[in-house]
Amino acid sequence: AQTVTQSQPEMSVQEAETVTLSCTYDTSENNYYLFWYKQPPSRQMILVIRQEAYKQQNATENRFSVNFQKAAKSFSLKISDSQLGDTAMYFCAFRISQGGSEKLVFGKGTKLTVNP
Amino acid sequence: KAGVTQTPRYLIKTRGQQVTLSCSPISGHRSVSWYQQTPGQGLQFLFEYFSETQRNKGNFPGRFSGRQFSNSRSEMNVSTLELGDSALYLCASRRVKDSYEQYFGPGTRLTVT
Repeated sequence: AQTVTQSQPEMSVQEAETVTLSCTYDTSENNYYLFWYKQPPSRQMILVIRQEAYKQQNATENRFSVNFQKAAKSFSLKISDSQLGDTAMYFCAFRISQGGSEKLVFGKGTKLTVNP
Repeated sequence: KAGVTQTPRYLIKTRGQQVTLSCSPISGHRSVSWYQQTPGQGLQFLFEYFSETQRNKGNFPGRFSGRQFSNSRSEMNVSTLELGDSALYLCASRRVKDSYEQYFGPGTRLTVT
């Protein structure tokens, strides 16, 4: 069964500093997608970044980047130059595709607080 | 383009009642998925619909059901509500082909008393 583990329930960082959120997963598939989603206190879940497993290059979206270690099944999120608006729950997710259907398997989340 | 919309945003029900939640996907998105979010269990997949057919179902009892209409709008129904059904119910939509991203709605907060 595919599982996603986020070992840090809560983290905090000072504004303008860098923080890394950890995620490990378990799967027997070879081709898959991994995602980081952000859920601010307003609750709207938004996609932060995605990584295709067949791509060796780590994905980057502005201040957000990932460290994807396929062999280790690790997918961490680095937030550079943290901003107050980055305060949110962050969920790591694994996409399971089956006969055209898809579902996301989420980790328990990491609550990130950016302090001024 | 309008995002995923969910109605109602908040709902309070009593044990034993039933409830229906609604989700309107982004225009052009034919797939709608439902997730339950609770503090204890986190985010769990309920089911996915496209072309008015349930394509996948999570590990939830039969009290949880859904349907999709020809305009891709979806409803989910929970019958015989239990206290443990209190949760945030999130709906997500996606294009069926060439799609890697699910777009989430703001959720419906259901409280069962």
